[in-house]
Amino acid sequence: EAGVAQSPRYKIIEKRQSVAFWCNPISGHATLYWYQQILGQGPKLLIQFQNNGVVDDSQLPKDRFSAERLKGVDSTLKIQPAKLEDSAVYLCASSLPWNTEAFFGQGTRLTVV
Amino acid sequence: GENVEQHPSTLSVQEGDSAVIKCTYSDSASNYFPWYKQELGKRPQLIIDIRSNVGEKKDQRIAVTLNKTAKHFSLHITETQPEDSAVYFCAASGGSGDKLTFGTGTRLAVRP
Repeated sequence: EAGVAQSPRYKIIEKRQSVAFWCNPISGHATLYWYQQILGQGPKLLIQFQNNGVVDDSQLPKDRFSAERLKGVDSTLKIQPAKLEDSAVYLCASSLPWNTEAFFGQGTRLTVV
Repeated sequence: GENVEQHPSTLSVQEGDSAVIKCTYSDSASNYFPWYKQELGKRPQLIIDIRSNVGEKKDQRIAVTLNKTAKHFSLHITETQPEDSAVYFCAASGGSGDKLTFGTGTRLAVRP
């Protein structure tokens, strides 16, 4: 089966600019996650969707980050405006509901200069 | 919310020796505990998982144990090989909102 697709793979932007990431989960996976992974750290959950509803966004910096999952399939994560500390790999993952294996995409490496 | 602590942060073993990584979780409602391996520059990939109705699970050289009372679980790798060198993450889910929360990671180095 096809895996989780993410784009772009790499992005370099200046601080205060905006950026958007796209994720296409595995077909049939109702649960979609966005994680931020700063170099040398574990993935930090930003937002979790169940179909097109938000399950958890408690760690999403809502003053600058937003995410949506229209029609319960693809998802986009946006940062506006970006800060230097947003430099990280943004990982999208998907799973069947109710605590099953989460499959990760290749990630988008964001560098904010 | 759930908090997952992982130890040690780095681990160096001789090839053929065993490696043990330990995690604790805070939410007693968590019932699913996966372990992921992440090689440099690559995505995390599941290597083994365990559910709260099971105390131990084994898959070839890898085993995971779970102590629900103490709220901790461990990854055991026997007969380590150089290709086991990577960062390993534990995670927990099933609590509030079924969030999948990761530990901070253990960098395992296997010396030939």
